[in-house]
Amino acid sequence: QQPVQSPQAVILREGEDAVINCSSSKALYSVHWYRQKHGEAPVFLMILLKGGEQKGHEKISASFNEKKQQSSLYLTASQLSYSGTYFCGTEIRAGANNLFFGTGTRLTVIP
Amino acid sequence: SAVISQKPSRDICQRGTSLTIQCQVDSQVTMMFWYRQQPGQSLTLIATANQGSEATYESGFVIDKFPISRPNLTFSTLTVSNMSPEDSSIYLCSVEDPARKLFFGSGTQLSVL
Repeated sequence: QQPVQSPQAVILREGEDAVINCSSSKALYSVHWYRQKHGEAPVFLMILLKGGEQKGHEKISASFNEKKQQSSLYLTASQLSYSGTYFCGTEIRAGANNLFFGTGTRLTVIP
Repeated sequence: SAVISQKPSRDICQRGTSLTIQCQVDSQVTMMFWYRQQPGQSLTLIATANQGSEATYESGFVIDKFPISRPNLTFSTLTVSNMSPEDSSIYLCSVEDPARKLFFGSGTQLSVL
């Protein structure tokens, strides 16, 4: 039931773009995205609740394709502060109140 | 946003003993969640704790091993019982705000010898 993320790891230079994908074997009600820096707790980025919905947060945005049971996180013009491990969290029905977190993508931004 | 105080931050325990992890939130919340994260791995939900009712455990986790208390709307404890080295992990408590964002405690790093 754990969503699969790709790539597992990516290294970027400052200013480059990246896409992180999250794929589920089950139909999804919502997708959440979190970033975790080393030694710290995960921090919320965004929630996508509707199929086809796209949301943005500064230079980080995401899409949710309900039919394909997939979500993608887009990082534009990456900054050093974007480094960390990104997790998608999926919810299979409304009111489930429990997230299944994906396998994670480690993103490293270098100068 | 919710501020969560979790303790202890780390502990080293002997095999066969138990450890209780405490989680205090600065506001009243309906549900609290307990996650486990092994080094370099994803987060796995252990259980959901509602005030006034028994916790709901996910597949692979049982109450005898991970008893949870939720005495009020701002506090919860997770006990890791009869520990073995396989229980070595980071344990995180979490709460959800009305906008459905999860906020996490700083975690408890547990090492079992």
